[in-house]
Amino acid sequence: QKEVEQDPGPLSVPEGAIVSLNCTYSNSAFQYFMWYRQYSRKGPELLMYTYSSGNKEDGRFTAQVDKSSKYISLFIRDSQPSDSATYLCAMTPPRMSGLTFGKGTHLIIQP
Amino acid sequence: EPEVTQTPSHQVTQMGQEVILRCVPISNHLYFYWYRQILGQKVEFLVSFYNNEISEKSEIFDDQFSVERPDGSNFTLKIRSTKLEDSAMYFCASSRRGNQPQHFGDGTRLSIL
Repeated sequence: QKEVEQDPGPLSVPEGAIVSLNCTYSNSAFQYFMWYRQYSRKGPELLMYTYSSGNKEDGRFTAQVDKSSKYISLFIRDSQPSDSATYLCAMTPPRMSGLTFGKGTHLIIQP
Repeated sequence: EPEVTQTPSHQVTQMGQEVILRCVPISNHLYFYWYRQILGQKVEFLVSFYNNEISEKSEIFDDQFSVERPDGSNFTLKIRSTKLEDSAMYFCASSRRGNQPQHFGDGTRLSIL
């Protein structure tokens, strides 16, 4: 079983829609969770960083962590064409710094 | 906004040669990392570096690889005896402390011929 599973998509939605992106993981030691956005030929750009279960909101983005289900989500409200990118989830246990990434979901926002 | 910078953006090297990839982390960050992304695959952790020594490394980071902080600003990844399968994007990242968010550069695309 892969450590972090993420549907690669592509996921295509109309502008203004609410987008839901998800990852599941198998390692219960993971405690820190991140979402990165990656545009073509660019490095991952940090969007959200969370520790512990629950929700965290930043502007149009909400990150949700459910440790009991080993499931994390990123919601994007009022999606814009500029949100079109690959979204990567990443996670790490405490006292370790190497991130384990999902494969990324390719998101397309149609104008 | 401070950022991680990497040079060169694209490196082409003959198989068997040595290559050095360079990174300038964010200035007040203390932890430095290298990752790689083979085309179509996940971003994979290689190594983390703190206080002038390796703090963690993955199975990928074998004797072919080494890292160095030669001065107060640069962080380098050396790959010896390059192989075709070393072709990938290599990303440098830095964080202020361990388990703090990591910020990535735009990567070096390494092509081994």
